[in-house]
Amino acid sequence: GAVVSQHPSRVICKSGTSVKIECRSLDFQATTMFWYRQFPKQSLMLMATSNEGSKATYEQGVEKDKFLINHASLTLSTLTVTSAHPEDSSFYICSARMLARQETQYFGPGTRLLVL
Amino acid sequence: EDKVVQSPLSLVVHEGDTVTLNCSYEVTNFRSLLWYKQEKKAPTFLFMLTSSGIEKKSGRLSSILDKKELFSILNITATQTGDSAVYLCAVEANTGNQFYFGTGTSLTVIP
Repeated sequence: GAVVSQHPSRVICKSGTSVKIECRSLDFQATTMFWYRQFPKQSLMLMATSNEGSKATYEQGVEKDKFLINHASLTLSTLTVTSAHPEDSSFYICSARMLARQETQYFGPGTRLLVL
Repeated sequence: EDKVVQSPLSLVVHEGDTVTLNCSYEVTNFRSLLWYKQEKKAPTFLFMLTSSGIEKKSGRLSSILDKKELFSILNITATQTGDSAVYLCAVEANTGNQFYFGTGTSLTVIP
């Protein structure tokens, strides 16, 4: 089946540093990738939608200069949290959608970010 | 290999019908199982289950977990067109706080 991986699974960094999270579709081409952030009580917030080769579409309230998304190939999207602060500490999850099955999203396992 | 499998993949029912969605899992270091409803944007959290046999209920929705048989069901009674959505099941593992999502069940409720 379609598999999506994320790397790293967990990262701890100092305040002010930048952190890059990778999302890869391992056995299919992902025309669209989504980035989510988990908030307390398990809710997920969509941060942005990225299509390969074009700029990401950010949801209202998400700072595009702080959360840089690059979808350079059909199998890789990256989320860079720039100048991270403790309030950015969260669980970030990506999902991918393939062209042939637009109705299905394949989720990655998530990345736990802790900013000290 | 850790995995979560949902069935059926899709379902079409009439308003007023009762539906049961299934989620089976094979995840080491199980921590919790979560159900989400996804309509347009982000999945909306429905339930979190950690213990076997205890039914969680919210209006017409209910869910139960069987940790021995490694599955959960989500029941929706008296379905309405507004219940049409993709229902996602996810299992959280203790190791690294990783999530394993199923691919969802697409439910369509027709008037």
